[in-house]
Order: sequence, then structure tokens, then C-alpha cells
Amino acid sequence: EAQVTQNPRYLITVTGKKLTVTCSQNMNHEYMSWYRQDPGLGLRQIYYSMNVEVTDKGDVPEGYKVSRKEKRNFPLILESPSPNQTSLYFCASSFQGAAKNIQYFGAGTRLSVL
Amino acid sequence: DAKTTQPNSMESNEEEPVHLPCNHSTISGTDYIHWYRQLPSQGPEYVIHGLTSNVNNRMASLAIAEDRKSSTLILHRATLRDAAVYYCILRARDFDTDKLIFGTGTRLQVFP
Repeated sequence: EAQVTQNPRYLITVTGKKLTVTCSQNMNHEYMSWYRQDPGLGLRQIYYSMNVEVTDKGDVPEGYKVSRKEKRNFPLILESPSPNQTSLYFCASSFQGAAKNIQYFGAGTRLSVL
Repeated sequence: DAKTTQPNSMESNEEEPVHLPCNHSTISGTDYIHWYRQLPSQGPEYVIHGLTSNVNNRMASLAIAEDRKSSTLILHRATLRDAAVYYCILRARDFDTDKLIFGTGTRLQVFP
């Protein structure tokens, strides 16, 4: 089954404790992306990757890092989480380079930073 | 990306058809019209997309105005499971980015 898998689904942590949210897709997609969703602000893109070793900032990249060492994986790293990063995070993937392409989303990771 | 305008909310009764409108008056000739929905506590999921002609799939139909300045997502028989936020998104034929720009969407309530 084609899917985007995020882990963990829920995470509570404390300020400053480094964490990684994993994202994996099994569809051989070139493009992967991270979004955060906050009440009243909708979904905003954090980082994206057009292919292996190619990443770029989205609209709200501050406080986040990503890497793309393998095509299927695109982890989101919070080196020093802060309470304003408490949010619902979604990973997405698609084939790259055509406006008709469909994006597939993970089920989400709900992060609370205390 | 061109902007879309959708009503904040709509209501329907179960098993009735639902027409969800979207205005996109600044659409360009090569922009695709995509619809995604987000069920409660889930990630967005693809519903349907089109360029100029009306489209049908197992989930819904997409009716595109002749001038392409508006479109309508049609759920032929709403079920309780269709209660979600529906997003109308324009995607430019831009090979530099595949970003989806989500607006506020239409929250659809379905009553039994």
C-alpha cells in the first residue's frame, strides 16, 4: 500500500531537548515536504526536498533542520525545541515537477514542547 | 500562485448532494485546480484535480467553469465520513517548486 509514514504520532518534550520526527514514503517520490498546522494559520511549509541531497527552506524554516540522505526518508530535526514549535506536523511526498502531481500526506505528528 | 476563495463553512444532510464552490478569478491558463480534504485528526488527502474539462472519480466530481474562474467540487451523496475541511488549491506549472498553498478551506458539516 502506498503510504507516507510519520513517527512518532504524539510527542511531549521539554524545551531544548533535541528531537527528530521521521518520515518515510514507499512510492519512490522525488519530492518530500514538511508542513506545520496551527489554529487560524492553516498549513505552512517548513522545508522541502526536490530529491536526494537537495533541500530548501519553505515559509517557516526557523528552528528546524532537515536532511535527505535517502530517497524514501526525510526526517525533521528540532535541535533545541521551544514552546512556539508546539504544533501538528505533516510530511508529504509526490513525484516532482508537474502541476498535476498528487501529494500524499502522513497521518501527522502532534508535538507539545513544555 | 493565484489565490482561491471558498466559503468558510457549509452544511449538508446525509445522502444529499453537496456542491462546494471555489472562486479563482486570477487563474492562469496552465494552472491546475486541485481539491484536497482533511478529515478530523488526519492529514490532508487528495480528492480530485482538473485543468479545463469536468472530471469524475470514485470520490467526487469537479465541475470547471468555461472561463476557469471558478470551480465546484460535487459530492454526489454526502456521508458522515465526508465531514472535513475541503481545500481548493491552484497549482502552477512551475518546475521549481511543488509546494501546495493551503487557504482556510470550507468546513463541511454533514448531519444524519
